[in-house]
Amino acid sequence: GAVVSQHPSRVICKSGTSVKIECRSLDFQATTMFWYRQFPKQSLMLMATSNEGSKATYEQGVEKDKFLINHASLTLSTLTVTSAHPEDSSFYICSASPIPGTEAFFGQGTRLTVV
Amino acid sequence: AQSVTQLGSHVSVSEGALVLLRCNYSSSVPPYLFWYVQYPNQGLQLLLKYTSAATLVKGINGFEAEFKKSETSFHLTKPSAHMSDAAEYFCAVSDSSYKLIFGSGTRLLVRP
Repeated sequence: GAVVSQHPSRVICKSGTSVKIECRSLDFQATTMFWYRQFPKQSLMLMATSNEGSKATYEQGVEKDKFLINHASLTLSTLTVTSAHPEDSSFYICSASPIPGTEAFFGQGTRLTVV
Repeated sequence: AQSVTQLGSHVSVSEGALVLLRCNYSSSVPPYLFWYVQYPNQGLQLLLKYTSAATLVKGINGFEAEFKKSETSFHLTKPSAHMSDAAEYFCAVSDSSYKLIFGSGTRLLVRP
C-alpha cells in the first residue's frame, strides 16, 4: 500500500515555542491531506483539511492561527503548532489518499509534549 | 451528517475465542465504511473497507465485516483471537468530502 511518513515521531518543547510537524506522501501525490488530533484513550478528532496550493479548511473550534497548515507541494503538508502550551500536548496524526474518497493512509503520528 | 457509534469501549476475549466489535453508522447517502487498527503510539492501519461492492468484506489478519443496510451496522469479527490482536479498533465512515468520521474506538483485550 501507499506510504505516508510523519516526522518527528516525538517532540518535547518549551511552553511558548513553536513546533512544526511534517507529513509526506512517499509514493503518491496527494492534493488533500488531513490532520487529526488524538487525546489519550480517545478517538481521532479531525482538525483540518490541507489543500495543496490553497488555504486549509479548519473544523469548527480549531484555531487556525494556532495550528498553521501549509501544503506547498503534492507530497508535503506541514502543521505548525504556534506558541505551544501544555494543553496542546497530544498525539497528532496525518492522513492522505492516493485517490480522494478511497482508502486513507496514515502517518505514524507525532507525540507532542509541551513542558 | 454522518456519524459512527461503537458500542463498548472495551471488549475482552480469551485467546482463540470469537472477536466481535460493533459499529453502527448514520448516513444519508450510501456510505464508505472502514475499520482501522491502532497499536500504542502508532498511526492507524486499515483492516478492511466497504465500498458498495460485496456486503461481506474480508480484511487482513483474518478479520471480516458485514455491511447490513437494514441494521445500519458494520460489525467486525474474527473467528479466533490471537494475543497480537490486542489493540484499539476504530470504525469510520467517509462523507462526501472524503473526510473520515471516526467512532470512539474499542479497545480489544485478549486474555491468555
